[in-house]
Amino acid sequence: KQEVTQIPAALSVPEGENLVLNCSFTDSAIYNLQWFRQDPGKGLTSLLLIQSSQREQTSGRLNASLDKSSGRSTLYIAASQPGDSATYLCAVGSTGNQFYFGTGTSLTVIP
Amino acid sequence: GAVVSQHPSRVICKSGTSVKIECRSLDFQATTMFWYRQFPKQSLMLMATSNEGSKATYEQGVEKDKFLINHASLTLSTLTVTSAHPEDSSFYICSARGPGLNGEYFGPGTRLTVT
Repeated sequence: KQEVTQIPAALSVPEGENLVLNCSFTDSAIYNLQWFRQDPGKGLTSLLLIQSSQREQTSGRLNASLDKSSGRSTLYIAASQPGDSATYLCAVGSTGNQFYFGTGTSLTVIP
Repeated sequence: GAVVSQHPSRVICKSGTSVKIECRSLDFQATTMFWYRQFPKQSLMLMATSNEGSKATYEQGVEKDKFLINHASLTLSTLTVTSAHPEDSSFYICSARGPGLNGEYFGPGTRLTVT
C-alpha cells in the first residue's frame, strides 16, 4: 500500500522568505501527484498537478517537482506572503485509480 | 471548468438521525466520484469509490450499511450517514473524475456535527 509522508509537519517563516515543502512516497508506480492547499475548515484547493511523465509544474510563485525514482516531490513557494498560510497536502494518484494523501504541512507566514 | 459542489456545507444533526450530503459536478460528467473523510489534524482518508450506475466500492473498515453512497447520474453522488453518532462528526469531502480531465476535482467539503 502506498504511504505518503510530508515533512515538516509545521513550518513558520517570515514574510518574503522562499520555502520548500517535502513529500515522499513509498511506491514509485504512480499515475500523478497533486499538491493541494487547505484553509481551516475549508475544502481542498488544487495548486499543481504533475503527471507521472513530467518532472515539474509551475504556477505563479509555486513550483512543484517530481522525482518518481526516489519517491519524492517538493513544493517550492517563492517570496512567501501571509496569505500563503494554510495546510499544504500532497496526494499521490495510483494506477489503481485512488489517491493517497499525506498528513500535510501547516505553514504560517509571519508578517 | 471542472467545478464540484457539495451541499450542505455545514450540518448539525441529532444522534440517531440520518443526514444526506450531495456532491455535484457542475460542468462535466463525473464517471467516478470519491468520498473522503477527515478527522481533526489528520489526513484525508478515502471512504469509498463510486462509478456511475454501479455499487460503490468501500475501503476496509468503512461500514457500507452506515455510509450509503448513491451515484445514480453522471453529475450527482450522495452520501447518507445513517443513524449518525457523535463519532461520525467529521469533515466529508467528495471528488470527481471525468473523461478527458486530468487529475481529481474536489468539492468544498461538508462539516458534519452530530450532537
